[in-house]
Amino acid sequence: GAVVSQHPSWVICKSGTSVKIECRSLDFQATTMFWYRQFPKQSLMLMATSNEGSKATYEQGVEKDKFLINHASLTLSTLTVTSAHPEDSSFYICSASPSSGIYEQYFGPGTRLTVT
Amino acid sequence: AQSVTQPDIHITVSEGASLELRCNYSYGATPYLFWYVQSPGQGLQLLLKYFSGDTLVQGIKGFEAEFKRSQSSFNLRKPSVHWSDAAEYFCAVGAGTGNQFYFGTGTSLTVIP
Repeated sequence: GAVVSQHPSWVICKSGTSVKIECRSLDFQATTMFWYRQFPKQSLMLMATSNEGSKATYEQGVEKDKFLINHASLTLSTLTVTSAHPEDSSFYICSASPSSGIYEQYFGPGTRLTVT
Repeated sequence: AQSVTQPDIHITVSEGASLELRCNYSYGATPYLFWYVQSPGQGLQLLLKYFSGDTLVQGIKGFEAEFKRSQSSFNLRKPSVHWSDAAEYFCAVGAGTGNQFYFGTGTSLTVIP
């Protein structure tokens, strides 16, 4: 149980275009979803926290207009990287938290974004 | 502000040898502490967590960790490493009102035969 999927697993896009990444909780309802960014050989940096039906809360320094997060249902959150640039190339990881668990997060396998 | 430090970027151990991965945290309140393992192509997997109580925590795959408040540490240990343990290990602290995690920089473990 407690499986989180991400789609796509990798994506290449051209500079200036937008790309959407999906995060789904497959067998549980996720009240809260989190988005992280991971640079090569570095830590996971929390980008934002989203609660179903509410606006996402972004961490300091994260551009909310560039990284649009939508959490429209209890099983789906999306991250849209708008007007992507090469510096947005990274590994993006989502996690989902069921309503019942404190500090209980299940992580997706990640999406590798390359902007050319 | 909360922070997590993993002093060792990379560790190499021989198969069958013991392992200790270090983690130090900074957090004003009682910390919720976690160890995760990340393997290529897979999501982060929870190894163990500490919320309260017994400071020696047992986890999956034979791992354990000890919470030492006086040293602000939560080191991960395994008595005998297997080749399949080669992966990236992350220590994390749970903080904030929204159940957020803040991760350390990770330790890459290589296991040699």
